[in-house]
Amino acid sequence: SQTIHQWPATLVQPVGSPLSLECTVEGTSNPNLYWYRQAAGRGLQLLFYSVGIGQISSEVPQNLSASRPQDRQFILSSKKLLLSDSGFYLCAWSVEGPTSGNTIYFGEGSWLTVV
Amino acid sequence: GNSVTQMEGPVTLSEEAFLTINCTYTATGYPSLFWYVQYPGEGLQLLLKATKADDKGSNKGFEATYRKETTSFHLEKGSVQVSDSAVYFCALSKAGNTGKLIFGQGTTLQVKP
Repeated sequence: SQTIHQWPATLVQPVGSPLSLECTVEGTSNPNLYWYRQAAGRGLQLLFYSVGIGQISSEVPQNLSASRPQDRQFILSSKKLLLSDSGFYLCAWSVEGPTSGNTIYFGEGSWLTVV
Repeated sequence: GNSVTQMEGPVTLSEEAFLTINCTYTATGYPSLFWYVQYPGEGLQLLLKATKADDKGSNKGFEATYRKETTSFHLEKGSVQVSDSAVYFCALSKAGNTGKLIFGQGTTLQVKP
Protein backbone atom coordinates (compact mmCIF):
# COMPACT_ATOMS: atom_id res chain seq x y z
CA SER A 1 0.00 0.00 0.00
CA GLN A 2 1.01 3.59 -0.51
CA THR A 3 2.23 5.77 2.32
CA ILE A 4 3.37 9.35 2.55
CA HIS A 5 5.63 10.84 5.18
CA GLN A 6 6.68 14.39 5.81
CA TRP A 7 9.01 15.92 8.36
CA PRO A 8 9.64 17.62 10.62
CA ALA A 9 6.20 17.54 12.20
CA THR A 10 6.71 20.77 14.11
CA LEU A 11 9.27 23.52 13.95
CA VAL A 12 9.78 27.02 15.23
CA GLN A 13 12.06 29.18 13.14
CA PRO A 14 13.22 32.80 13.49
CA VAL A 15 12.44 35.35 10.81
CA GLY A 16 15.14 35.33 8.14
CA SER A 17 16.22 31.75 8.73
CA PRO A 18 16.08 29.04 6.03
CA LEU A 19 13.46 26.31 5.78
CA SER A 20 13.45 22.79 4.47
CA LEU A 21 10.44 20.48 4.69
CA GLU A 22 10.78 17.05 3.20
CA CYS A 23 8.18 14.62 1.93
CA THR A 24 8.50 11.08 0.57
CA VAL A 25 5.97 8.71 -0.92
CA GLU A 26 6.27 4.94 -0.86
CA GLY A 27 4.45 2.23 -2.73
CA THR A 28 3.80 4.04 -5.99
CA SER A 29 5.72 5.25 -9.03
CA ASN A 30 5.66 8.58 -10.83
CA PRO A 31 3.10 10.20 -8.56
CA ASN A 32 1.96 13.78 -8.86
CA LEU A 33 3.18 15.60 -5.77
CA TYR A 34 1.79 18.70 -4.09
CA TRP A 35 2.52 21.19 -1.34
CA TYR A 36 -0.48 22.87 0.27
CA ARG A 37 -0.55 25.45 3.03
CA GLN A 38 -3.27 25.98 5.58
CA ALA A 39 -3.00 29.31 7.37
CA ALA A 40 -4.65 29.65 10.78
CA GLY A 41 -8.44 29.74 10.48
CA ARG A 42 -8.35 29.53 6.69
CA GLY A 43 -8.74 26.95 3.98
CA LEU A 44 -6.07 25.16 2.01
CA GLN A 45 -4.04 26.82 -0.67
CA LEU A 46 -2.05 24.94 -3.29
CA LEU A 47 1.53 26.19 -3.37
CA PHE A 48 3.36 23.86 -5.76
CA TYR A 49 2.75 20.73 -7.75
CA SER A 50 5.01 18.40 -9.67
CA VAL A 51 4.28 15.83 -12.36
CA GLY A 52 7.82 14.45 -12.52
CA ILE A 53 11.43 14.78 -11.44
CA GLY A 54 12.63 18.35 -11.79
CA GLN A 55 9.21 19.56 -12.94
CA ILE A 56 7.74 22.13 -10.58
CA SER A 57 4.78 24.42 -11.09
CA SER A 58 4.10 27.29 -8.75
CA GLU A 59 0.54 28.34 -8.09
CA VAL A 60 1.16 31.55 -6.19
CA PRO A 61 4.09 33.96 -6.05
CA GLN A 62 5.75 33.77 -2.67
CA ASN A 63 8.83 33.41 -0.56
CA LEU A 64 8.98 29.64 -0.98
CA SER A 65 10.37 27.22 -3.54
CA ALA A 66 10.01 23.51 -4.20
CA SER A 67 12.22 20.82 -5.66
CA ARG A 68 11.80 17.21 -6.71
CA PRO A 69 15.21 15.57 -6.82
CA GLN A 70 13.83 12.03 -6.95
CA ASP A 71 10.63 10.46 -8.21
CA ARG A 72 9.07 10.13 -4.78
CA GLN A 73 10.70 13.00 -2.93
CA PHE A 74 9.36 16.54 -2.71
CA ILE A 75 11.06 19.33 -0.78
CA LEU A 76 9.70 22.72 0.24
CA SER A 77 12.31 25.39 0.94
CA SER A 78 12.88 28.99 1.77
CA LYS A 79 16.10 30.99 1.97
CA LYS A 80 14.66 33.56 4.39
CA LEU A 81 11.43 32.98 6.27
CA LEU A 82 8.85 35.67 6.83
CA LEU A 83 6.31 35.88 9.65
CA SER A 84 3.57 35.32 7.07
CA ASP A 85 5.07 31.93 6.21
CA SER A 86 3.68 30.51 9.46
CA GLY A 87 1.10 27.80 8.92
CA PHE A 88 0.36 24.14 8.49
CA TYR A 89 2.07 22.65 5.44
CA LEU A 90 0.72 19.53 3.84
CA CYS A 91 2.41 17.33 1.29
CA ALA A 92 0.14 15.24 -0.91
CA TRP A 93 0.24 12.79 -3.82
CA SER A 94 -1.99 11.43 -6.53
CA VAL A 95 -1.76 9.19 -9.56
CA GLU A 96 -3.39 9.75 -12.91
CA GLY A 97 -5.73 7.07 -14.12
CA PRO A 98 -9.28 6.30 -15.16
CA THR A 99 -10.21 4.82 -11.79
CA SER A 100 -8.38 7.16 -9.45
CA GLY A 101 -10.86 9.99 -9.83
CA ASN A 102 -7.89 12.29 -9.29
CA THR A 103 -7.95 11.40 -5.61
CA ILE A 104 -5.28 13.19 -3.59
CA TYR A 105 -3.82 11.71 -0.40
CA PHE A 106 -2.25 13.85 2.28
CA GLY A 107 0.64 13.49 4.67
CA GLU A 108 0.48 14.20 8.36
CA GLY A 109 1.39 17.85 7.97
CA SER A 110 4.12 20.11 9.37
CA TRP A 111 3.42 22.98 11.73
CA LEU A 112 5.69 25.94 11.05
CA THR A 113 5.80 28.90 13.41
CA VAL A 114 8.00 31.80 12.38
CA VAL A 115 8.93 34.04 15.31
CA GLY B 1 -13.45 29.86 -12.55
CA ASN B 2 -13.84 26.76 -10.42
CA SER B 3 -14.82 27.20 -6.79
CA VAL B 4 -16.34 25.44 -3.79
CA THR B 5 -18.58 27.02 -1.18
CA GLN B 6 -19.35 25.39 2.16
CA MET B 7 -21.73 26.40 4.90
CA GLU B 8 -20.02 28.39 7.59
CA GLY B 9 -19.34 26.90 10.97
CA PRO B 10 -18.92 26.06 13.63
CA VAL B 11 -21.73 23.55 13.64
CA THR B 12 -22.53 22.35 17.14
CA LEU B 13 -24.64 19.23 17.62
CA SER B 14 -25.53 16.86 20.40
CA GLU B 15 -24.49 13.24 20.12
CA GLU B 16 -26.81 11.14 17.90
CA ALA B 17 -28.14 14.21 16.09
CA PHE B 18 -28.50 14.33 12.31
CA LEU B 19 -25.76 16.17 10.44
CA THR B 20 -25.86 18.08 7.17
CA ILE B 21 -22.98 20.19 5.92
CA ASN B 22 -23.85 21.96 2.69
CA CYS B 23 -21.43 22.19 -0.20
CA THR B 24 -22.00 23.72 -3.61
CA TYR B 25 -19.57 24.08 -6.45
CA THR B 26 -18.94 26.01 -9.63
CA ALA B 27 -17.09 24.23 -12.38
CA THR B 28 -17.17 23.59 -16.08
CA GLY B 29 -17.54 20.04 -17.23
CA TYR B 30 -17.68 17.12 -14.83
CA PRO B 31 -15.41 17.45 -11.82
CA SER B 32 -14.76 14.80 -9.20
CA LEU B 33 -16.03 15.78 -5.76
CA PHE B 34 -14.53 14.96 -2.37
CA TRP B 35 -15.02 15.34 1.33
CA TYR B 36 -11.91 15.43 3.49
CA VAL B 37 -11.81 15.42 7.29
CA GLN B 38 -9.16 16.97 9.50
CA TYR B 39 -9.07 15.89 13.13
CA PRO B 40 -7.41 18.25 15.62
CA GLY B 41 -3.68 18.56 15.02
CA GLU B 42 -3.64 16.13 12.10
CA GLY B 43 -3.45 16.18 8.32
CA LEU B 44 -6.36 15.67 5.97
CA GLN B 45 -7.93 12.29 5.41
CA LEU B 46 -10.11 11.40 2.48
CA LEU B 47 -13.60 10.71 3.82
CA LEU B 48 -15.50 9.96 0.61
CA LYS B 49 -15.67 10.86 -3.04
CA ALA B 50 -17.88 10.76 -6.12
CA THR B 51 -16.62 10.94 -9.67
CA LYS B 52 -19.80 11.37 -11.70
CA ALA B 53 -23.32 12.72 -11.45
CA ASP B 54 -25.72 10.80 -9.16
CA ASP B 55 -22.86 8.85 -7.59
CA LYS B 56 -23.13 8.47 -3.82
CA GLY B 57 -19.95 8.37 -1.78
CA SER B 58 -20.11 6.81 1.66
CA ASN B 59 -17.76 5.98 4.50
CA LYS B 60 -17.98 5.65 8.30
CA GLY B 61 -21.71 6.43 8.22
CA PHE B 62 -21.22 9.62 6.20
CA GLU B 63 -22.83 10.02 2.78
CA ALA B 64 -22.83 12.58 -0.01
CA THR B 65 -24.54 12.47 -3.40
CA TYR B 66 -23.18 14.21 -6.49
CA ARG B 67 -26.07 16.40 -7.72
CA LYS B 68 -25.21 18.02 -11.00
CA GLU B 69 -28.60 19.71 -11.38
CA THR B 70 -28.05 21.65 -8.15
CA THR B 71 -24.22 21.59 -8.31
CA SER B 72 -24.15 20.27 -4.77
CA PHE B 73 -22.40 17.59 -2.73
CA HIS B 74 -23.89 17.88 0.76
CA LEU B 75 -22.41 15.75 3.53
CA GLU B 76 -24.83 13.87 5.80
CA LYS B 77 -24.71 11.50 8.74
CA GLY B 78 -27.69 10.09 10.52
CA SER B 79 -26.24 9.97 14.04
CA VAL B 80 -23.07 11.85 14.92
CA GLN B 81 -20.65 10.87 17.67
CA VAL B 82 -18.27 12.95 19.77
CA SER B 83 -15.41 11.38 17.80
CA ASP B 84 -16.77 13.02 14.61
CA SER B 85 -15.71 16.43 15.91
CA ALA B 86 -13.35 17.75 13.26
CA VAL B 87 -13.06 20.17 10.35
CA TYR B 88 -14.69 18.98 7.13
CA PHE B 89 -13.54 20.18 3.73
CA CYS B 90 -15.43 19.87 0.48
CA ALA B 91 -13.25 19.87 -2.64
CA LEU B 92 -13.36 19.38 -6.37
CA SER B 93 -10.86 18.19 -8.92
CA LYS B 94 -11.03 18.63 -12.65
CA ALA B 95 -10.00 15.79 -14.90
CA GLY B 96 -6.92 16.66 -16.88
CA ASN B 97 -6.00 19.36 -14.39
CA THR B 98 -3.16 17.39 -12.81
CA GLY B 99 -5.50 16.34 -10.03
CA LYS B 100 -5.24 19.69 -8.26
CA LEU B 101 -7.87 20.15 -5.59
CA ILE B 102 -9.91 23.26 -5.06
CA PHE B 103 -11.10 23.40 -1.47
CA GLY B 104 -13.97 25.02 0.32
CA GLN B 105 -13.12 27.01 3.41
CA GLY B 106 -13.89 24.15 5.78
CA THR B 107 -16.66 23.63 8.33
CA THR B 108 -15.89 22.93 11.97
CA LEU B 109 -18.15 20.35 13.59
CA GLN B 110 -18.38 20.11 17.37
CA VAL B 111 -20.34 17.20 18.81
CA LYS B 112 -21.22 17.40 22.49
CA PRO B 113 -22.05 14.37 24.64
